Parts: sequence; structure tokens; C-alpha cells
Amino acid sequence: AQTVTQSQPEMSVQEAETVTLSCTYDTSESDYYLFWYKQPPSRQMILVIRQEAYKQQNATENRFSVNFQKAAKSFSLKISDSQLGDAAMYFCAYRSAVLSRNSNYQLIWGAGTKLIIKP
Amino acid sequence: EPEVTQTPSHQVTQMGQEVILRCVPISNHLYFYWYRQILGQKVEFLVSFYNNEISEKSEIFDDQFSVERPDGSNFTLKIRSTKLEDSAMYFCASSGGRLETQYFGPGTRLLVL
Repeated sequence: AQTVTQSQPEMSVQEAETVTLSCTYDTSESDYYLFWYKQPPSRQMILVIRQEAYKQQNATENRFSVNFQKAAKSFSLKISDSQLGDAAMYFCAYRSAVLSRNSNYQLIWGAGTKLIIKP
Repeated sequence: EPEVTQTPSHQVTQMGQEVILRCVPISNHLYFYWYRQILGQKVEFLVSFYNNEISEKSEIFDDQFSVERPDGSNFTLKIRSTKLEDSAMYFCASSGGRLETQYFGPGTRLLVL
């Protein structure tokens, strides 16, 4: 079974600085997707970024970028120029892309990292 | 921008009562999901729904739970006889295709007393 591990329960960063959140996963599959979702205090789950495993190029979305290391099964999120509005729980999630399986609908989640932004 | 909506935002109920949580997925999406997040714990998958039937469910999704798409827009999760341990945030999500990104609603915070 696939698992997702976020080893940092909490991280803090000074406003305008850069922070990296770690995520590792375990899978025997070669085809999958990885996601970072943000959950602010409102508790809504907001997609930050998505990475397809078959793509070597790291995904970027404005100030958010990932470092996807497939061999190491690592998927870290880098937030540049941190802003107060970035304060939230950040969840890493995995989803199988193996179409032959009939059980790849679900997202498998890490435990989350609480990001604190210091003004 | 289209978004998933959920009602109610908060629900308080007595143990043993039935609750129905409602979701309106993004209009052109075909796949629908329920997840829950007990306070301080990981997000857990409950069920996925496609073409008017359950496509996948987790061990959590036992006979106390059911889902329904009663009309062309709503997607509901029913808990027949709530237990204290059902207290959680329940998220609805939808996606346009089987492998497309799942977009989440704002959640319903359920408290069972």
C-alpha cells in the first residue's frame, strides 16, 4: 500500500524568506500524481500544485515550486517570498494513475505540516 | 471560477441521529468524493462515486454511511446513526475525469454529542 510521510509537524519562516516543506512517499507504482494542498484556518482544502510522475520537469505555480525526486520518492514544496497569507497546514498527497486498477480514485494523505509566517 | 459548495458549514447532532451532508460539485465534473478529517489527524478517504454508483470505498465507509446523487446537482453523504467518533470535518470533492485533479469544498464540521 502507498504511504505519504511528512516529517515536519511545524515549520516557521520569516516573511519574504523562502521555506521548503518535505514529503516522502512509498509506492511500487511507476505512474502516479503528487499534490500539495493548503488548508488555512478556515479549513478549506486548496490545491497548491500538482506533479505528474512521468514528467521530469518540476511543477511551478508562481511562488510555489516542487523538487520532485522520483528515485528518492521525495516531493518537497518550496515557497519563495513567503507572505502572511501562506500561513496554513500544508498536506502532501499521492494518487495512483494506474488505470488497470479499480482502486485509484482516492488521494492518500500525509499528516501535514503547519507553516507559521513570522512578520 | 467554479467551485464545490457544501452545506451546512457546521452541524451539531445527538449520538444516534441521522445526518445528511450536502455537496454541489463543479457542474461539469463527473467524479465525486467524500473525505473526512478528524481533528488533529490525517485526511481519510471515504468514498468515490461515478455514473450513479460507488466506484471505491474505504473500510471506514461501512453500512452506516451512504451516498446519493438525488438530482443533477447535489451529492449527499448520509450517516444513519451517528457515533461520537463520527465528529470530524467532512470534505466533498469533485473531478472532471478519473485522473484529474480533485477540487474540494469548504467542508462541513460535524459534531456528535
